[in-house]
This record gives sequence, structure tokens and C-alpha cells, in this order.
Amino acid sequence: DAKTTQPTSMDCAEGRAANLPCNHSTISGNEYVYWYRQIHSQGPQYIIHGLKNNETNEMASLIITEDRKSSTLILPHATLRDTAVYYCIVRGWNSGNTPLVFGKGTRLSVIA
Amino acid sequence: ETGVTQTPRHLVMGMTNKKSLKCEQHLGHNAMYWYKQSAKKPLELMFVYNFKEQTENNSVPSRFSPECPNSSHLFLHLHTLQPEDSALYLCASRGGTDTQYFGPGTRLTVL
Repeated sequence: DAKTTQPTSMDCAEGRAANLPCNHSTISGNEYVYWYRQIHSQGPQYIIHGLKNNETNEMASLIITEDRKSSTLILPHATLRDTAVYYCIVRGWNSGNTPLVFGKGTRLSVIA
Repeated sequence: ETGVTQTPRHLVMGMTNKKSLKCEQHLGHNAMYWYKQSAKKPLELMFVYNFKEQTENNSVPSRFSPECPNSSHLFLHLHTLQPEDSALYLCASRGGTDTQYFGPGTRLTVL
């Protein structure tokens, strides 16, 4: 799995958009970008994933650059409950028997 | 909320006890996992089941014994555990394109 780099921490005002960047310059052609988050003392939660096109679901949007070397997770209207550690993972689509490797992630603090 | 439930949510046991953790998924997935998450350590994959067959055992001590009676249920049987086994035990199931859906975890404390 390709390595990812994320900022250690970010703050976001409640109600504003949270934009979380991730660099993955060594991504290969068959690797997807996945985002998970983990709220303190809870299990990780899948958010979204993409290959090369931008994606949107009920939780977030994922913007992937044309060269696929970086991406941004966007939470359009952050709430206090979005305070968590966010993990960007790059992984081949058929990596099922290998563990998810969570790096240090970005600790997002949503502030009232 | 994720479609994966785990019971109990908290468990305290002595080193001579035998207990079991239960995981159930309502997502129609065919692959399920047990992970261990200790404080300040990365997520550790313990076991993988595909179509009820164990396909991965990452050198887990025999005091942890998994069981997968069907593709919706996964158990982790525990016996003669050590204090260092105290951790958050997470169950996950795998959907298409390798997305994994985690349960809330069982917080285990071994005294």
C-alpha cells in the first residue's frame, strides 16, 4: 500500500466546511483512496473512497487531483460530532486479507 | 449504525476466566475480521474469515480462538488471557472494493 501524509491536526468552526488534505505521491494505478475516521474509544468508521473521479456521499465529498498524487476530504458543514481522527489510506481494491494500516491521521477538532 | 454489532461493549475478566466476544453483521458481506487496538499502537489484524473459512491467522496466541458459524456471525473465544491482552477488540466486515465496516468494539480489561 502506498504511503500517505496528512497534517497532524486541524481546527474547524462548527457549521463551516472542513477540508482535510492527504498526499499520496507514490499511489499506483490500481490503488484506491479510502477515508476512515475514529471517534475517541469507538470503532473506525468508513467515510468514502475513490479511484480517480471525485466522489460524494451523504457524509462527505472526496476530491482527487488529476495526477492522483493528493486528495481532499470535505465535510461540508462540520458539527461537534465530527471531532475525530481522520485517516487517509491508499490500498489496492483486492487487498482484503491484509490489514488496514492506519497512519497517524489528522486530528480534527470542531469548535463551537 | 454501521450494520455491524458487537457484544458485550465492555468486559472485565480475570486471567482464569473463559469468555466470548460476539460480532454480527447485517450487510450481507462474506468476509469478516477481528482486529485488536491497543493504546498508542496501530490496528493489529488478528483473524480473517471468507465465506466462513479462516483465511488468515496473524500469529495470534492460542488463548484467542475464533469461530465463524455462518457469514453473519463471528465469535472470539477467550481463555487464560494475560493483562497485556487488555485492548479494544474490533470486528469488521468487508464490502465491495474492500471497504470495511467496523463494529463499536469490545473494551476488554484483563485483571
